[in-house]
Amino acid sequence: GENVEQHPSTLSVQEGDSAVIKCTYSDSASNYFPWYKQELGKRPQLIIDIRSNVGEKKDQRIAVTLNKTAKHFSLHITETQPEDSAVYFCAAGGYSTLTFGKGTMLLVSP
Amino acid sequence: DAGVIQSPRHEVTEMGQEVTLRCKPISGHNSLFWYRQTMMRGLELLIYFNNNVPIDDSGMPEDRFSAKMPNASFSTLKIQPSEPRDSAVYFCASSSGGGDTGELFFGEGSRLTVL
Repeated sequence: GENVEQHPSTLSVQEGDSAVIKCTYSDSASNYFPWYKQELGKRPQLIIDIRSNVGEKKDQRIAVTLNKTAKHFSLHITETQPEDSAVYFCAAGGYSTLTFGKGTMLLVSP
Repeated sequence: DAGVIQSPRHEVTEMGQEVTLRCKPISGHNSLFWYRQTMMRGLELLIYFNNNVPIDDSGMPEDRFSAKMPNASFSTLKIQPSEPRDSAVYFCASSSGGGDTGELFFGEGSRLTVL
């Protein structure tokens, strides 16, 4: 089955800095790579996703890049704000299910 | 739509007791997923239904866990007998992706504590 590794497990940045979270996956058949944000005590919510026919996707301050050859994808957050503080999960999926990474706790200090 | 609805939000029970968690997916979604979240193991897929039929239950830890989806608007996850190591947050999620992986909409989760 699919195996997703996510790094780092924790990330502390100053407000205004950029943050990068990286994930690798094992199953070359995976073709869907979403990122979810989970605030403390809340449900995970989709923030951005990318499919394997696209190398990069951007939505305001967040962007995701995908390297299918190397089987890795990354989340980039620019101009971080305190409200970006949360746990971020990457995931990889194929035909029907998603396998999640273990999450990155991002702390943005004012 | 109210989103995915789960109940109870919190459950505290004693070891050996039966626990039933409930989920109502978003109307029109044909895929339903049960995930378990712990600090150590993250988000683990327990079971996945498509059109009310269990497709993949390889993540169900053992025979103490069972899940049903009697109709398109209701699913249950049952643990019998419960053990302290079952303590976790259990999330139900639904999607309209069917056979094509798409966005998962999660419920608020059911926090289970087994004493």
